[in-house]
Amino acid sequence: LAKTTQPISMDSYEGQEVNITCSHNNIATNDYITWYQQFPSQGPRFIIQGYKTKVTNEVASLFIPADRKSSTLSLPRVSLSDTAVYYCLVGDPASGTYKYIFGTGTRLKVLA
Amino acid sequence: SAVISQKPSRDICQRGTSLTIQCQVDSQVTMMFWYRQQPGQSLTLIATANQGSEATYESGFVIDKFPISRPNLTFSTLTVSNMSPEDSSIYLCSVERLRDRGYYEQYFGPGTRLTVT
Repeated sequence: LAKTTQPISMDSYEGQEVNITCSHNNIATNDYITWYQQFPSQGPRFIIQGYKTKVTNEVASLFIPADRKSSTLSLPRVSLSDTAVYYCLVGDPASGTYKYIFGTGTRLKVLA
Repeated sequence: SAVISQKPSRDICQRGTSLTIQCQVDSQVTMMFWYRQQPGQSLTLIATANQGSEATYESGFVIDKFPISRPNLTFSTLTVSNMSPEDSSIYLCSVERLRDRGYYEQYFGPGTRLTVT
């Protein structure tokens, strides 16, 4: 099972771009990489999912290099409301085995 | 999408007792997931629950300690049995959906904060 590692915390200022990396050296061929955001006293909320190269949606981009041993979540122009914990999740959702492993989480603090 | 509710939202229990947590989804789903999140920690998958069959437990979690029921396609319960202070955690249920754009998204309930004294 792919274990993931993330920086424990990061600080940023409003309006800046934030990049959070996740290391998953043992990722399996069919595993996808998914990122979730969690605010205090709430369940995690989906941000983005990808398999390779680059994925972009309305709120973030996900960069995955060719070897897929890491991934980077990019949040453009963060605001104070982006202060949260961000989790990287690796697993094969189509397999039916549901062997999901959440990363250690990165606590992002956005400063005014 | 999916809207998930959990009951209770929080509870304080004495060691040795049991607590059953309920999870209700606003639409039918095949699989439901139960996670534990210890204070300040990441989420750990406890088990997956498919309607009509025994739950599948992850390493380190056993049915005697965390019995799960899945009586229909919108509801599940997780019982934390014979509780000890080490069971103090947030327990979350979730469901997964395949979205139109081809990705899989998990929807989480708000969690049940359990404190064992």
